[in-house]
Amino acid sequence: GAGVSQSPRYKVTKRGQDVALRCDPISGHVSLYWYRQALGQGPEFLTYFNYEAQQDKSGLPNDRFSAERPEGSISTLTIQRTEQRDSAMYRCASSRTTVIRSTDTQYFGPGTRLTVL
Amino acid sequence: DAKTTQPTSMDCAEGRAANLPCNHSTISGNEYVYWYRQIHSQGPQYIIHGLKNNETNEMASLIITEDRKSSTLILPHATLRDTAVYYCIVRVFGGAQKLVFGQGTRLTINP
Repeated sequence: GAGVSQSPRYKVTKRGQDVALRCDPISGHVSLYWYRQALGQGPEFLTYFNYEAQQDKSGLPNDRFSAERPEGSISTLTIQRTEQRDSAMYRCASSRTTVIRSTDTQYFGPGTRLTVL
Repeated sequence: DAKTTQPTSMDCAEGRAANLPCNHSTISGNEYVYWYRQIHSQGPQYIIHGLKNNETNEMASLIITEDRKSSTLILPHATLRDTAVYYCIVRVFGGAQKLVFGQGTRLTINP
């Protein structure tokens, strides 16, 4: 595709509900990343995948957060039993290769704005 | 990952060169310096990166000091569209692939 896409762009939910956020990376990009961004702050790393394998989930704040990428393309970030503090912009990024190289640029999607009431 | 320090905000006149400094005094030998920017509510956008040599591309120039403890991003002819938050990031080579964003510098280009 032309770029990283995310859906929905906006999600409003009530406290205690589960939400699923979707990321569709650039076609052919092997690596996929999830970040969370609070208002006025820089993005904060959550987790990333190479192909379908979750390589690092150290940034997931607690066990209510999980992510999957079953076929190595589209990824879903799921938040169970949402809380008001989960309200933020959730951003997805993808990059071409798995190899750590200086040219491994991450391309970011437009994000999903999550509001928990 | 090494920590970076940037000014919170800067102003620059349209058409002038914008020079954004970054300190990364604890950078190690295999870490690169990356710059990303974030315009309004859009996702971060890659600008440029370097190891120890000065780099230039169609967007900007990156000047890294000889001791690699600091760097400067230069936008040679700033336009109103360059108003954004600019993030300086040092990235471990061979380690985690995540980007660690700090607070960044909010650059405002004034007409």
